[in-house]
Amino acid sequence: GAVVSQHPSWVICKSGTSVKIECRSLDFQATTMFWYRQFPKQSLMLMATSNEGSKATYEQGVEKDKFLINHASLTLSTLTVTSAHPEDSSFYICSAFRDTEAFFGQGTRLTVV
Amino acid sequence: AQSVTQLGSHVSVSEGALVLLRCNYSSSVPPYLFWYVQYPNQGLQLLLKYTSAATLVKGINGFEAEFKKSETSFHLTKPSAHMSDAAEYFCAVSVRSSASKIIFGSGTRLSIRP
Repeated sequence: GAVVSQHPSWVICKSGTSVKIECRSLDFQATTMFWYRQFPKQSLMLMATSNEGSKATYEQGVEKDKFLINHASLTLSTLTVTSAHPEDSSFYICSAFRDTEAFFGQGTRLTVV
Repeated sequence: AQSVTQLGSHVSVSEGALVLLRCNYSSSVPPYLFWYVQYPNQGLQLLLKYTSAATLVKGINGFEAEFKKSETSFHLTKPSAHMSDAAEYFCAVSVRSSASKIIFGSGTRLSIRP
């Protein structure tokens, strides 16, 4: 079946550095992918919609310059957390649709120290 | 705008008992509805989905949900709980599109008592 792969599954970085998270659709093409953020014991909050070949659409309150999204191909979207700070520590999950079903990556646990 | 409300952030049932997780939705257009399960530090796994076919939807692991338009509900049930069902469950809604964002409910943590 369709699989969305997310990498890395966890990352620890120093405050002030940038971290890139990759989301790949492995056996289908995805013109649109979605990035979510999940705080401990909370639900998934949609951050942005990644559109292949064009700019991402950010949800209200999400800093575009902090969370850079690039969707350079039909199978890859990347989320870069720039100048990361401890408050950016969270669980980030991507998803992509195939037909009427959304498939989710396994998530990335980001810890900023 | 679309939204979902999950009643009860935590539900605890005994092993073998009925599981009922409640979800109500709000949508200005006919929705797609989903239930997902999440185990700790993992992504989401689709349990079942409603996409305008049968109102009673059967999913994996013995779960099912019934779409009730009159009640704007999509409650998740399982006749007999198993210890392995302990997890976080999310109800979600999207518009009927092949590439529409999904809006999640706040989640319900299901605990199973031996």
